[in-house]
Amino acid sequence: SYVLTQPPSVSVAPGQTARITCGGNNIGSKSVHWYQQKPGQAPVLVVYDDSDRPSGIPERFSGSNSGNTATLTISRVEAGDEADYYCQVWDSSSYVFGTGTKVTVL
Amino acid sequence: EVQLVESGGGVVRPGGSLRLSCAASGFTFDDYGMDWVRQAPEKGLEWVSGINWNGGSTGYADSVKGRLTISRDNAKNSLYLQMNSLRAEDTALYHCAREFCSGGSCYIEYWGQGTLVTVSS
Repeated sequence: SYVLTQPPSVSVAPGQTARITCGGNNIGSKSVHWYQQKPGQAPVLVVYDDSDRPSGIPERFSGSNSGNTATLTISRVEAGDEADYYCQVWDSSSYVFGTGTKVTVL
Repeated sequence: EVQLVESGGGVVRPGGSLRLSCAASGFTFDDYGMDWVRQAPEKGLEWVSGINWNGGSTGYADSVKGRLTISRDNAKNSLYLQMNSLRAEDTALYHCAREFCSGGSCYIEYWGQGTLVTVSS
């Protein structure tokens, strides 16, 4: 089965840029989607199809995907961005989620 | 506004059964495929099962195949998950989710808050 690997944690100072990677075999050939989950809340879609943003998601959230790595970039990080982030692909007619990354704002 | 409200969770003994429900509103229910995604305590997201718009096609994670059954009632705007032969490892928060599929890929557009299932003796 397809495996998506994320770093367990990323720390970033307010105003700086956070980059969260999602590794998978030839992931660049797939569409990657990203979710934000704050404590006690349901996940929220923040990026779909590698780099598109749903309405209401700030432009500070962007995505890229190439080779064996997809990346979610959060620019000008704010305290409210502190959350768990999950990447996801569709593979063999099922959803595959990454292992999750906890973003801590220092 | 899209709303997905789950119910039916609770505490059940190993080997027992539960039926989860999800009441959908704010959109045309039979236009969309639906899914159940679970999250064990302090763990990540795991897709459990999905169903297409008319119930004619379903899918299951290997970990639940043969024990859990997804269904829907479009007349009632409702999604269900019948859970049998429950195990301790099924303990999790179960989210109802609305999916969007295009160009050979699918993602979850909307999530419910979830209903907690605890399997314990």
